[in-house]
Amino acid sequence: AQSVTQLDSQVPVFEEAPVELRCNYSSSVSVYLFWYVQYPNQGLQLLLKYLSGSTLVKSINGFEAEFNKSQTSFHLRKPSVHISDTAEYFCAVSGYRGGADGLTFGKGTHLIIQP
Amino acid sequence: KAGVTQTPRYLIKTRGQQVTLSCSPISGHRSVSWYQQTPGQGLQFLFEYFSETQRNKGNFPGRFSGRQFSNSRSEMNVSTLELGDSALYLCASSPAQGPLRATEAFFGQGTRLTVV
Repeated sequence: AQSVTQLDSQVPVFEEAPVELRCNYSSSVSVYLFWYVQYPNQGLQLLLKYLSGSTLVKSINGFEAEFNKSQTSFHLRKPSVHISDTAEYFCAVSGYRGGADGLTFGKGTHLIIQP
Repeated sequence: KAGVTQTPRYLIKTRGQQVTLSCSPISGHRSVSWYQQTPGQGLQFLFEYFSETQRNKGNFPGRFSGRQFSNSRSEMNVSTLELGDSALYLCASSPAQGPLRATEAFFGQGTRLTVV
């Protein structure tokens, strides 16, 4: 079984400032790692994912996340945020060998961008 | 290419009633998963279907059930509704089977169920 902890339920940050959303996971097997974003009244959109290879993965809109196996972390960062980045962000894991519980999500972090 | 379509978008039901939610996956996708999202519990896996067979099930009571049709469309049913069933129900489709299915999951906009 896996579990995901997102350490901050809410992160306020000023526009154009950098941001880091923290995610730690626990698993007895190797995992795939994901960050999803949810805008109000919308479903989830995949932001980026780590499957294998380079531990630093990037999205097309400037976000990046680094897989740290020793610290079991997959923190999400952006060097300069925009008002449009205001949303709920979910970290998720899936067991490498599949599993009975699909994607396991963290509780989410609400990113609030202040002008 | 059309995305995952969930109907209806909003639903209000009374305690004790039953409800059926529908999910049409992306064309060609054969795997469909369902999730419940609530403010208290967050996102929780309900079940997964592939080729009309339930492959995996989360930790939910038997009141929650589902099925998948030959065209990959899926329905989930909740019987004897309780106030705590109020949630956003999300469906995700994937072209892959097994562990890779999670790596290519596309979510619908969800059905907001309110039980009064």
